[in-house]
Amino acid sequence: NAGVTQTPKFQVLKTGQSMTLQCAQDMNHNSMYWYRQDPGMGLRLIYYSASEGTTDKGEVPNGYNVSRLNKREFSLRLESAAPSQTSVYFCASRDTSGRRTDTQYFGPGTRLTVL
Amino acid sequence: GQQLNQSPQSMFIQEGEDVSMNCTSSSIFNTWLWYKQDPGEGPVLLIALYKAGELTSNGRLTAQFGITRKDSFLNISASIPSDVGIYFCAGRLGNEKLTFGTGTRLTIIP
Repeated sequence: NAGVTQTPKFQVLKTGQSMTLQCAQDMNHNSMYWYRQDPGMGLRLIYYSASEGTTDKGEVPNGYNVSRLNKREFSLRLESAAPSQTSVYFCASRDTSGRRTDTQYFGPGTRLTVL
Repeated sequence: GQQLNQSPQSMFIQEGEDVSMNCTSSSIFNTWLWYKQDPGEGPVLLIALYKAGELTSNGRLTAQFGITRKDSFLNISASIPSDVGIYFCAGRLGNEKLTFGTGTRLTIIP
């Protein structure tokens, strides 16, 4: 199993450009998440999806959109990138079918710089 | 939103020393989690706590769920070089959303 994969690993954008960050998991997990991590701060939740076909806002959703394409894939889109969106983005998944299922498996991250 | 204060922000210790860090919240949680992040990678779960007062160990790591449900503690005994990294606490009240602390960066001095 590859676990959680993210593409690309690095990206540089100009202000106003758009792009989509891709995430896929092969563990048949129901829930998937997108976080951003900024220096000196913990991970902040952008959006999450509790199951295929549903998405909900997290703590910092402004400027982002998401799509839960199927059970495996959860993409994050920046329609018009801003310098404030320079960050490291992590995707995660979690199996919610059992008791005490708290292990979120994180991808390796995407380092995004907006100039 | 909820705030998690994690302290200390950074620690510089010698190999073999014990480490203590804690996390406090402005509101209660019913789950506390501790993660470790290595450079260039995503966080990995170390310990999960589900009940106030619970004390759980994972090898040299021990974590406790505070009685007030607003705090948690992580101890690492006899630190080794591979313990270097950033440690995050995280709390959950409902079913989905985790709130993360700001992290404690652990450095081991040779």
